[in-house]
Amino acid sequence: DTEVTQTPKHLVMGMTNKKSLKCEQHMGHRAMYWYKQKAKKPPELMFVYSYEKLSINESVPSRFSPECPNSSLLNLHLHALQPEDSALYLCASSQSVLAYYEQYFGPGTRLTVT
Amino acid sequence: AQRVTQPEKLLSVFKGAPVELKCNYSYSGSPELFWYVQYSRQRLQLLLRHISRESIKGFTADLNKGETSFHLKKPFAQEEDSAMYYCALEGEDSSYKLIFGSGTRLLVRP
Repeated sequence: DTEVTQTPKHLVMGMTNKKSLKCEQHMGHRAMYWYKQKAKKPPELMFVYSYEKLSINESVPSRFSPECPNSSLLNLHLHALQPEDSALYLCASSQSVLAYYEQYFGPGTRLTVT
Repeated sequence: AQRVTQPEKLLSVFKGAPVELKCNYSYSGSPELFWYVQYSRQRLQLLLRHISRESIKGFTADLNKGETSFHLKKPFAQEEDSAMYYCALEGEDSSYKLIFGSGTRLLVRP
């Protein structure tokens, strides 16, 4: 299995809702990433996990809460989001956080906050 | 500060014409540079990285430290090359951060 999978594909949530995005990979990768991509913009890094520990938080608001329950799974818990948080959320994984290694991207979850 | 600049939002060429997608970077050390591509309705994927010095799908990119550039080139464009291309940088101090340029949409006309 050489793919990163993300669920759900689409999510519509109200500003008072709590929801979670899920990302999974079975390539044995030890680094996993969350990116946010607004329309017609490049992906922007949010979080990096290395060996299931949070390595980087790019000053992301606390209404986004990442979780890495095991080496294959990465979640992004959402609470009290704002309409401006509507975007495509991409998950990626790589063998390691070292620069040489390719990042494999999932198809993304398109989030709409109403 | 680390920065990647792709000056062209859109590049339109005819099939068989040469293609050059420009990428300039700002980084004081020795960067790791990549080109990622996103075809229509497909996920973002690595096209090539400078450290590998490889040619993928006929594309090549040479790191020019003097000009701080990493332009992507292909001598004869094909229609299936139409896609969004992102240049990306990761610094040697890493911080494990991949920084993307704003992207260039390549349109290859028949």
